[in-house]
Formats: sequence, structure tokens, C-alpha cells
Amino acid sequence: DGGITQSPKYLFRKEGQNVTLSCEQNLNHDAMYWYRQDPGQGLRLIYYSQIVNDFQKGDIAEGYSVSREKKESFPLTVTSAQKNPTAFYLCASSPDASGTYEQYFGPGTRLTVT
Amino acid sequence: DAKTTQPTSMDCAEGRAANLPCNHSTISGNEYVYWYRQIHSQGPQYIIHGLKNNETNEMASLIITEDRKSSTLILPHATLRDTAVYYCIVRPLGNEKLTFGTGTRLTIIP
Repeated sequence: DGGITQSPKYLFRKEGQNVTLSCEQNLNHDAMYWYRQDPGQGLRLIYYSQIVNDFQKGDIAEGYSVSREKKESFPLTVTSAQKNPTAFYLCASSPDASGTYEQYFGPGTRLTVT
Repeated sequence: DAKTTQPTSMDCAEGRAANLPCNHSTISGNEYVYWYRQIHSQGPQYIIHGLKNNETNEMASLIITEDRKSSTLILPHATLRDTAVYYCIVRPLGNEKLTFGTGTRLTIIP
């Protein structure tokens, strides 16, 4: 089946540790996105990538880093500099970043930092 | 980007049509109306989008008023699986970003 996979579904870390969230897609999409969702809130854009080896900051990039070495993969690292890392993280992809197409979302990773 | 206003919550009886309103009075000419929904603890799911004409697909219909200042998403025969938070998003063509508000929590009542 084509789609977006995120792993793991639940992740627990101690404060001060960096953690990397996985996002893989086999849809052959050029664009990929990372969003964060807090309880009762909408999604906020962290980073996006329009093409391999290129990415741009979204609205809340501080404390996060990404890489796009392969078309199908867009991992997100939550660094110790992120003040409130506990959240639900969602990865998405679309055929391109023109805004013409809808975005397809993965199932999400719920990160808890204590 | 234009701001959207949606009711916080709505109920609908199973088997009836669910009509979800959205106000976007500051929408501009190149902005599309998108609808997504999010079932609890899952990623959002695309439903439908439109510019000024009414649109229909296998999931829903989208009715956009002539002045484009509001729209209604219609789920023709709601089932329990349609219980979710529904987001109305206004997105300029060429904008890579989806700006999600808090949406409408739709509960389908058996």
C-alpha cells in the first residue's frame, strides 16, 4: 500500500535528550512537511521540504532540525533546545509544494518528554 | 492568509446529512477553501477543496456562497465513523502551508 509511515507511534524521552522522529513515504511526492499539534489545538508547521537536500523553516522551527537526503525520508530531530517538546507530531507529503495539491498525513508520533 | 470561523461543536443523527458551516469573510480571489478532518489521535484526512464552484466527491459536497465569504461542507449520510474534528482552511494557490484553526468537533449520534 502507498502511504506515509511514522514511527514509533509513542515515544518517551528524558528532558535534555535529543530525539529523532521518522517519516517515510512511498508516494513519490516531492514535498514533505512536519507539523506539531498540542491538545485541543490545530496543527502548526515546523519545517517543510520541496525537494531533496532543501528545506525551509515553518512557523515554529526553533528547537527543531530536519534533513532531506532522500526523496522518501524526512526525519525530524527534536533538540534539547525545544522548550516544550511534548506534543503530537505529524508528517505530511504532497506531490509538490505549489499549493495545488492536498497534503497526505501520516498517523503521527506522540512524544512525551519528562 | 484569510481567517476562518467555525462552530466549536455540532451533533448530527446517524443517517442524516451533516452540514458544517465555515465563515471566511476576508477571503481573497486566489484563495481556495479546503476541508480536512481528524479522527481522534490520527493524522488529518483530506476531504475536499474548491475555489468558487460547488464541488462533490465520494466523501462530501462543498457549497461555496456566491460572494465566497462562507461555505458549507455536507456529509450526505453521516455514519458513526464520521465523528471527528473538521477543519476549514483557506489557502492561497501557491502557498505550501496549511493553517489549521481549532475546527468543529462533529459527533454523530446513534
